[in-house]
This record gives sequence, structure tokens and C-alpha cells, in this order.
Amino acid sequence: DTGVSQDPRHKITKRGQNVTFRCDPISEHNRLYWYRQTLGQGPEFLTYFQNEAQLEKSRLLSDRFSAERPKGSFSTLEIQRTEQGDSAMYLCASSQSVPNYGYTFGSGTRLTVV
Amino acid sequence: DQQVKQNSPSLSVQEGRISILNCDYTNSMFDYFLWYKKYPAEGPTFLISISSIKDKNEDGRFTVFLNKSAKHLSLHIVPSQPGDSAVYFCAASAEGGGADGLTFGKGTHLIIQP
Repeated sequence: DTGVSQDPRHKITKRGQNVTFRCDPISEHNRLYWYRQTLGQGPEFLTYFQNEAQLEKSRLLSDRFSAERPKGSFSTLEIQRTEQGDSAMYLCASSQSVPNYGYTFGSGTRLTVV
Repeated sequence: DQQVKQNSPSLSVQEGRISILNCDYTNSMFDYFLWYKKYPAEGPTFLISISSIKDKNEDGRFTVFLNKSAKHLSLHIVPSQPGDSAVYFCAASAEGGGADGLTFGKGTHLIIQP
């Protein structure tokens, strides 16, 4: 197992376009998280899945953001009508069920909206 | 309103000496605390954690101390090595870590000088 994989590593898009990121967690991990990190800040929680169920969403996750984990394995994060303020590193992490707080993070997808 | 604060953006320490990274929090509901280490272009890597029922946890060269009354924790690295140069994030969790995810500080950039 190579850890948490995220694709793509980098994405440049024009304002108003839609983008989709993919995350493949560690196979035996049933929890999956999305975080966003902007320059000079720590990661900020966006949403969390337990298997295929999305159990928690941060108020940071506006209506333009949607995340899915259809079969409880990989997850996608879609941003519709991107804005310049969406430019950030999007991090995915996975963990086993409670209690395991030592999330394993992926290397992230860096989004630049021009 | 920053609930987890790392007030030192950077810290420079000589190789072989002790590195002490500090973190303060404001939310009394936090019951689990973690330190992550991050190299450029990589996701954060879990380092060490501590439950609120303890005041110290040690793992090799890394020790985390928790002072609940002061709402303060610190990470001690001794002896410091060149490979420890990275950004260190303090993170906190309330009631299980799954709901609302982790709350991160802004990070401290540790530089180990030869």
C-alpha cells in the first residue's frame, strides 16, 4: 500500500470553471477527510466520510463544493464555478475507525484559479 | 477566532540542542492533541499525540507536554537533527475527532542549524 494518493498534484483553472479532485485512501481505512490549506495557515477541515456516508461538513464547504465517496473507497471533491479565493492546497486524509487520530495525509492537490 | 494558536512562525535551533515548539488553545472541549510535521510539497505527517487525561507522552526523541489549566502544550525534540527542519502543526480534536475533524494551528517553521 502506497499510502493516500491524490490526483492531480496540480491544477490550474480559469475562474468559473468546474474542477474535480480524486483521493484514494489507504485500503483498510474507512474514514476519509478533506482539508484545505492556504498559504500561511494550517489545514482547515472541510468534510468527513465514514465509509460511503458523509457525516460532517464544515461551514467552509459552500454550495459550490460537493464531495462523494460512492463505494466507500475513493472520494472525489468537486468545486463548481471556481473563484480566485478557492486557490489552495486540498488535502485528503484517511484513518481507521475510532480511535485513531493519527490521520494519514496525501500530498495534496494544489489548485490555482486564474 | 483562532482556537489553536502557534505564536512563533519560526524557530531556529542548533543541531544537537533541544527544540521546544509551543501551542495554546482556547476551546475547553478539546480532549485530544496532535503534532504533525510537514515538508514542502508533501502532506502533513503524524508525529505524536496526547490525550487530555495525560500530561506527558514520549516517543523516542519527541515528547509532548500538556498543561490543561493553562491550555498549553509543547513539543520537545531532543537532540535536534537536520532532518527535523520542517513546519510543525499543532492540532486539536473535541469528542472523538471524527465530528468537525481536527483544528490546526498556523504552524511553526523549525530550522535546525548545523
